[in-house]
Amino acid sequence: GAVVSQHPSRVICKSGTSVKIECRSLDFQATTMFWYRQFPKQSLMLMATSNEGSKATYEQGVEKDKFLINHASLTLSTLTVTSAHPEDSSFYICSAARQASGGDTQYFGPGTRLTVL
Amino acid sequence: AQSVTQPDIHITVSEGASLELRCNYSYGATPYLFWYVQSPGQGLQLLLKYFSGDTLVQGIKGFEAEFKRSQSSFNLRKPSVHWSDAAEYFCAVGALGSARQLTFGSGTQLTVLP
Repeated sequence: GAVVSQHPSRVICKSGTSVKIECRSLDFQATTMFWYRQFPKQSLMLMATSNEGSKATYEQGVEKDKFLINHASLTLSTLTVTSAHPEDSSFYICSAARQASGGDTQYFGPGTRLTVL
Repeated sequence: AQSVTQPDIHITVSEGASLELRCNYSYGATPYLFWYVQSPGQGLQLLLKYFSGDTLVQGIKGFEAEFKRSQSSFNLRKPSVHWSDAAEYFCAVGALGSARQLTFGSGTQLTVLP
């Protein structure tokens, strides 16, 4: 159990276009999902916390108008990179918090490799 | 603020040898601790977690970790490493009972020699 999927796994787009990445919790409901960015050979950087039915909470320095997050259901959060530029090229990973007695656990998707030309 | 230190950037072991990956955390209250593993180009897979209770926790793939409050450590161990264990390992700390704000260490890259 606790499977999280991401789609697409890899996307290449032209500069100035928008890209949408989907994150789904397949076998549990998640009121909270997270979006991370990871640069090569580095750890994960939290971009934002996505709450079902409410606005996302963005980390300091993350442009909320550029990285649009929608969490319309208990199993789906989307990240849209608007007007993408080459510096937005990165590995984006989502996670979903599964609630259980004793505490929540984050389960991660397989990631999306974004390349902006 | 909470923080996690993984002092070893890269570790190399021979297949069949034992392994210990170090993790030290800083947190003002009882921590909520995790180990995740990441293969190249993949997301993170949960190996094990510590909530409370027994300080030695067992995880998947034969891994275990021991919580030592006095040393603020949560080291990951495996008695006999397999070639398939080669990956990046991340330690993370969260507030007790909540994974909603995890802080990750910088990771340890494990290479396994045949």
